[in-house]
Amino acid sequence: LAKTTQPISMDSYEGQEVNITCSHNNIATNDYITWYQQFPSQGPRFIIQGYKTKVTNEVASLFIPADRKSSTLSLPRVSLSDTAVYYCLVGDYNFNKFYFGSGTKLNVKP
Amino acid sequence: NAGVTQTPKFQVLKTGQSMTLQCAQDMNHEYMSWYRQDPGMGLRLIHYSVGAGITDQGEVPNGYNVSRSTTEDFPLRLLSAAPSQTSVYFCASSTLPGTSNTEAFFGQGTRLTVV
Repeated sequence: LAKTTQPISMDSYEGQEVNITCSHNNIATNDYITWYQQFPSQGPRFIIQGYKTKVTNEVASLFIPADRKSSTLSLPRVSLSDTAVYYCLVGDYNFNKFYFGSGTKLNVKP
Repeated sequence: NAGVTQTPKFQVLKTGQSMTLQCAQDMNHEYMSWYRQDPGMGLRLIHYSVGAGITDQGEVPNGYNVSRSTTEDFPLRLLSAAPSQTSVYFCASSTLPGTSNTEAFFGQGTRLTVV
């Protein structure tokens, strides 16, 4: 099982780009990297998923270096509504289990 | 499209009582799972299922039972509630892991208090 390590919290200001890095030194060959966002009193919501290099969608980018031992979620021009907890998951896909770490609490200030 | 529906949203139980948290999904997903989230903490996997008739344990299965008689439903049963089971419970469903773009959809949660 690939354990993930993320910063506990981060502060940012509106309009800035935010990069949240996740370490996963024991990632396995078949593992994908997935990020979720959770607002208070809500279930987590899928943001982005990748295997290697760079993935981009309408809300975020995911950068994964060649050794895949870490990944960085990039949120462009954050707003107050991006204040949430962000979770990095490395899916133990062969065994059909998803494990969430403690996440990174992002606080966006005006 | 309702997605993942959990009932009830709130519940108070007395120690020793049993109850079932309901979870239903309408996306024909094979994979369903239950998590608990304690205040200020991440989600911990309780039980999961890869299809009707198949269930397995996650990180914290003690005190909970599950069954999967249909693709749509995945109820979580608390056998004898304890204060340590006070938490928010989330149900999730997704296509079967092992492929790319496995996005999990979560319900809105059930806030359970055991007194």
